[in-house]
Amino acid sequence: KAGVTQTPRYLIKTRGQQVTLSCSPISGHRSVSWYQQTPGQGLQFLFEYFSETQRNKGNFPGRFSGRQFSNSRSEMNVSTLELGDSALYLCASSQSAGPDTQYFGPGTRLTVL
Amino acid sequence: TQLLEQSPQFLSIQEGENLTVYCNSSSVFSSLQWYRQEPGEGPVLLVTVVTGGEVKKLKRLTFQFGDARKDSSLHITAAQPGDTGLYLCAGVSSARQLTFGSGTQLTVLP
Repeated sequence: KAGVTQTPRYLIKTRGQQVTLSCSPISGHRSVSWYQQTPGQGLQFLFEYFSETQRNKGNFPGRFSGRQFSNSRSEMNVSTLELGDSALYLCASSQSAGPDTQYFGPGTRLTVL
Repeated sequence: TQLLEQSPQFLSIQEGENLTVYCNSSSVFSSLQWYRQEPGEGPVLLVTVVTGGEVKKLKRLTFQFGDARKDSSLHITAAQPGDTGLYLCAGVSSARQLTFGSGTQLTVLP
């Protein structure tokens, strides 16, 4: 069974731009969660989608948004990029809603210049 | 906001030594997870502990959940270079969100 895939793996943007990251969960998994990992703040929960509905949301500004499609694939969007948005963005999938048994993808490394 | 403090932040030891990583919080968690992350990859779930006082063993790794479900420890016996990585604890809150600790970067030298 293929693991969680994230595209692109690396991305460079400039301040003020917007970016869309993609996550394909493990086949059969209906929940996708997104996390931001930085050296200073560590791993922080962004949001979780299950069956196309946002179930849970972390403490991030409205510039961070996401969605999930009927095939469970998910996208995350960050608008008006700031230097502090530079991070590794990880998505994780699980069969059921919630953080019980999640499988993480390799992440997308976003650099904002 | 529930916080998880991990210690030590960095640990460099020789192959064959034992080590313990600690994960502490002032908050109660419904369960606690331990992950290992290697460069260029996402975290991989090692274990989930659910019951206060629970002890789980995974080969040379022993995980313990505190009686009050506020803290946890990971003990590695006879560490090997393959154990090198970033170890992360993560608590599951009542709101079903994961709060991660800051991580322990372990380096095991041959």
